[in-house]
Amino acid sequence: DADVTQTPRNRITKTGKRIMLECSQTKGHDRMYWYRQDPGLGLRLIYYSFDVKDINKGEISDGYSVSRQAQAKFSLSLESAIPNQTALYFCATRQGNEQFFGPGTRLTVL
Amino acid sequence: GESVGLHLPTLSVQEGDNSIINCAYSNSASDYFIWYKQESGKGPQFIIDIRSNMDKRQGQRVTVLLNKTVKHLSLQIAATQPGDSAVYFCAENTGGFKTIFGAGTRLFVKA
Repeated sequence: DADVTQTPRNRITKTGKRIMLECSQTKGHDRMYWYRQDPGLGLRLIYYSFDVKDINKGEISDGYSVSRQAQAKFSLSLESAIPNQTALYFCATRQGNEQFFGPGTRLTVL
Repeated sequence: GESVGLHLPTLSVQEGDNSIINCAYSNSASDYFIWYKQESGKGPQFIIDIRSNMDKRQGQRVTVLLNKTVKHLSLQIAATQPGDSAVYFCAENTGGFKTIFGAGTRLFVKA
């Protein structure tokens, strides 16, 4: 079984809709991250969390919110999706210098 | 501002040859530099890291070189195989929690 899982893997939605992307991990790591990946731009940090009571904004948090429901779960929400949020979204955990990424969610906003 | 960039967006090599993927960085305060590999349809996967006080580190078929004088990082892959075809990202860890990723280099391995 995968250590970091993301659901859904693919999602197509319309402008203005609320979308939640979910992430679960079985690695027991406290640190969890949400990134988006766009062609030619690498991975950009949206939010990160060091534990259930700790949530921090990354470099591109506008238009997004997160919830750390438990050590193992970190969800990302788009309150009102817009087309420029079309991207590949990755959740990751971290231990030391190494990050462990989920398989990604491809989100398309029409 | 801070940035991690790559000299070449794509690299094509013959199977069996050595590959060298380059990266430039701008933050002198970064304490670790890391290389990730991303295969099609998957998330990035850690390959190797190097601490800022080192200039070379070797792994299995991979070597990372760090030149702090010119702020340059490279990943060398020995005897490149078709399974090495992927996008490679350099990244730097700053402040203990933040990682800055480069845009990536796509490696094509020709049989």
